[in-house]
Amino acid sequence: GDSVTQMEGPVTLSEEAFLTINCTYTATGYPSLFWYVQYPGEGLQLLLKATKADDKGSNKGFEATYRKETTSFHLEKGSVQVSDSAVYFCARGSQGNLIFGKGTKLSVKP
Amino acid sequence: GAVVSQHPSRVICKSGTSVKIECRSLDFQATTMFWYRQFPKQSLMLMATSNEGSKATYEQGVEKDKFLINHASLTLSTLTVTSAHPEDSSFYICSARDLPGDNSPLHFGNGTRLTVT
Repeated sequence: GDSVTQMEGPVTLSEEAFLTINCTYTATGYPSLFWYVQYPGEGLQLLLKATKADDKGSNKGFEATYRKETTSFHLEKGSVQVSDSAVYFCARGSQGNLIFGKGTKLSVKP
Repeated sequence: GAVVSQHPSRVICKSGTSVKIECRSLDFQATTMFWYRQFPKQSLMLMATSNEGSKATYEQGVEKDKFLINHASLTLSTLTVTSAHPEDSSFYICSARDLPGDNSPLHFGNGTRLTVT
């Protein structure tokens, strides 16, 4: 069945470091791909999305490119801040719902 | 933007009692809402799909008699945890789309932390 695999955390970085969180998906059809962020004690917020191959989603300095050839949608940010500390979920559309990866916890130290 | 409101944000109840959680779409109509349970170490589990005016669709392994879902209007879905037990303690999150189709994102409520003592 459809699935999403993302790198396990936790990921700990120093402020201003470069961030990559890997995400791959099963290639059934041509799903839309999403990154969500969850801050402590809150629900999920959409961070960015891409709906077709080679699309790049971006928001708040985060970027992810829909790579059909590698079935990947890796999240990147050039310079993380302490306020980016959160859990990040990769997701793909599937039959009206979303299938989520297991989440990657990011901690950014000052 | 589309806003989903969930209430209460936290609830503590005694074992054996029932708890109702509300999920509202504030500025759009949602014929379908989704209920998730989030376990420790982040994992999100889809519990059920709530359909306005009809029965909810439950995922495999989710007890429909324990987790009652009612979607009585286009802006409100409720999840009632009946005869709650400590193992039901968890973070419950609802979501909905303001636009149809898989290309549109889900909008999430802020979640409800349920603690059963």
